Amino acid sequence: ELKVEQNPLFLSMQEGKNYTIYCNYSTTSDRLYWYRQDPGKSLESLFVLLSNGAVKQEGRLMASLDTKARLSTLHITAAVHDLSATYFCAVGDPGTASKLTFGTGTRLQVTL
Amino acid sequence: EAGVTQFPSHSVIEKGQTVTLRCDPISGHDNLYWYRRVMGKEIKFLLHFVKESKQDESGMPNNRFLAERTGGTYSTLKVQPAELEDSGVYFCASSQGRGLGTEAFFGQGTRLTVV
Repeated sequence: ELKVEQNPLFLSMQEGKNYTIYCNYSTTSDRLYWYRQDPGKSLESLFVLLSNGAVKQEGRLMASLDTKARLSTLHITAAVHDLSATYFCAVGDPGTASKLTFGTGTRLQVTL
Repeated sequence: EAGVTQFPSHSVIEKGQTVTLRCDPISGHDNLYWYRRVMGKEIKFLLHFVKESKQDESGMPNNRFLAERTGGTYSTLKVQPAELEDSGVYFCASSQGRGLGTEAFFGQGTRLTVV
């Protein structure tokens, strides 16, 4: 059974600082997603990572994937208050075309 | 283009009652998924429809849960009778394809509280 571990669960950081959220998964997968959720809103797709060494960047967020280590990271550069949200990684279950297994989520709070 | 729509956004019911959640996927999306997040835990897969057919219902917790997708359009998830442990946020998602890189678009969720 695929397991996805995400840490930290909660992250409070000051504006301007850098930090990394980690996502480890237990079995080989061919796709990994990062989502953002604001309170009461839907999950917004941030990144889709498909291959070893994949790196994608959007604004102050950068995601990477190491399939050999079964690890993805979401790096936040020079955080701003607008980045406060809950971030989820989700891994495609091997052998299925579409089912996702989610991490527990990281609640990010960026303070002034 | 309208996104995935779920309603109600909140529902509070008593233990033993019945609740029906509805999901309207993005128009033209054949794939529809239900997930739920129980308080403090991870988001867990419940089931997957391709058009009106159940492709994978391995995540459905028990037979108190019944999902339907009539005509391959909107879907309903009925919980009957509801138990306290059913409380959580129920998410619906839809996608057009199932190949690598296919993105699933999520609704805002229905927060169910069973008291």
